Amino acid sequence: ETGVTQTPRHLVMGMTNKKSLKCEQHLGHNAMYWYKQSAKKPLELMFVYSLEERVENNSVPSRFSPECPNSSHLFLHLHTLQPEDSALYLCASSQVFDTGTQYFGPGTRLLVL
Amino acid sequence: EDKVVQSPLSLVVHEGDTVTLNCSYEVTNFRSLLWYKQEKKAPTFLFMLTSSGIEKKSGRLSSILDKKELFSILNITATQTGDSAVYLCAVEARRQNYGQNFVFGPGTRLSVLP
Repeated sequence: ETGVTQTPRHLVMGMTNKKSLKCEQHLGHNAMYWYKQSAKKPLELMFVYSLEERVENNSVPSRFSPECPNSSHLFLHLHTLQPEDSALYLCASSQVFDTGTQYFGPGTRLLVL
Repeated sequence: EDKVVQSPLSLVVHEGDTVTLNCSYEVTNFRSLLWYKQEKKAPTFLFMLTSSGIEKKSGRLSSILDKKELFSILNITATQTGDSAVYLCAVEARRQNYGQNFVFGPGTRLSVLP
């Protein structure tokens, strides 16, 4: 399988549930990103991992917890979410220190009830 | 604070029309500007621009960057209904501690009517 994959593609969860989103990249990249895309808002960068180390956290609430066990895998652990967290969550990867593009996964559409 | 602005935010045209989408930016340590097309799910890459005045072309799409005036345009000629999408502009900025960051604009929603 090539590119960036994300699972699940759709997720419905209650406010008290705990779930995880998974991202995997097969491009040999060494930086990975989580973005949130809400209706009528620009893509919002949530977390950046570079060389498996978290290097950016854009004031994201603690109910979102990222994990990057290696350069190919990225997780977003979710707990006690709010309805306003419903959005499309996109994972992307790129090569650090090279001018280049980000490659996006298909996204996980999350609905919090 | 890094910022990317796109205009118009939405546009409705008829097949065969030519459209111009605008992107202006303010970032520190600019590296490149990227255009993406987003239909139903993830954005797909269109162009990367790093040098001023050099037009990139792919079929009916073309784009150019002006690094002095800090903007880029994306042109689509002879539009088709399949061009209907949100077009995102993103700017890549160099960050000292981890190499790069990408700042996205709000997108332009293009609707092409038959």
